[in-house]
Amino acid sequence: DSGVTQTPKHLITATGQRVTLRCSPRSGDLSVYWYQQSLDQGLQFLIQYYNGEERAKGNILERFSAQQFPDLHSELNLSSLELGDSALYFCASSRGPSSTPLHFGNGTRLTVT
Amino acid sequence: SQQGEEDPQALSIQEGENATMNCSYKTSINNLQWYRQNSGRGLVHLILIRSNEREKHSGRLRVTLDTSKKSSSLLITASRAADTASYFCATCRDDKIIFGKGTRLHILP
Repeated sequence: DSGVTQTPKHLITATGQRVTLRCSPRSGDLSVYWYQQSLDQGLQFLIQYYNGEERAKGNILERFSAQQFPDLHSELNLSSLELGDSALYFCASSRGPSSTPLHFGNGTRLTVT
Repeated sequence: SQQGEEDPQALSIQEGENATMNCSYKTSINNLQWYRQNSGRGLVHLILIRSNEREKHSGRLRVTLDTSKKSSSLLITASRAADTASYFCATCRDDKIIFGKGTRLHILP
């Protein structure tokens, strides 16, 4: 058990809808990373937060947004969903702003129909 | 992009044999890490090698790093059925940790 909790485990929704994925980092970790994993694109880095502040941005679409709250949990909001957004979304946490290793949750599997 | 690229994409070997996976990347890095992912689950950190290190060992794992060639290799010795998984290299520069597409390793009984 990595100590990182992601909810929900599975999510099925329709195109055009909006969903929120939630992540609780490992106790004591201040950094949260979000990744999208699809079969054809591998593991894509979306965004990183450290202690509530955005730290680094990757290939995150404008339809997607995220935030990290004072209690350090994070949420990833996906809106105007498209079929191509179907993927596994992983959250990972680490102790510091650029420290590693990353501890991954078991992901949220999003299916857009 | 500094994304690492693993090679081969897939590898099948007999149990007990050694498995070697390679990773190439494009820009300078702070460190390089290897992770394992069992089917559909979260990635698990295996080993980290810093840019000023050339080789690192952890149990049956051996990682090398050649910054002049921008490449790394992961060697798993005496493979076991439980080693069947996907293996990813991740390059770390500044605050971005970028993963490659992985090598799918299958250990045959």
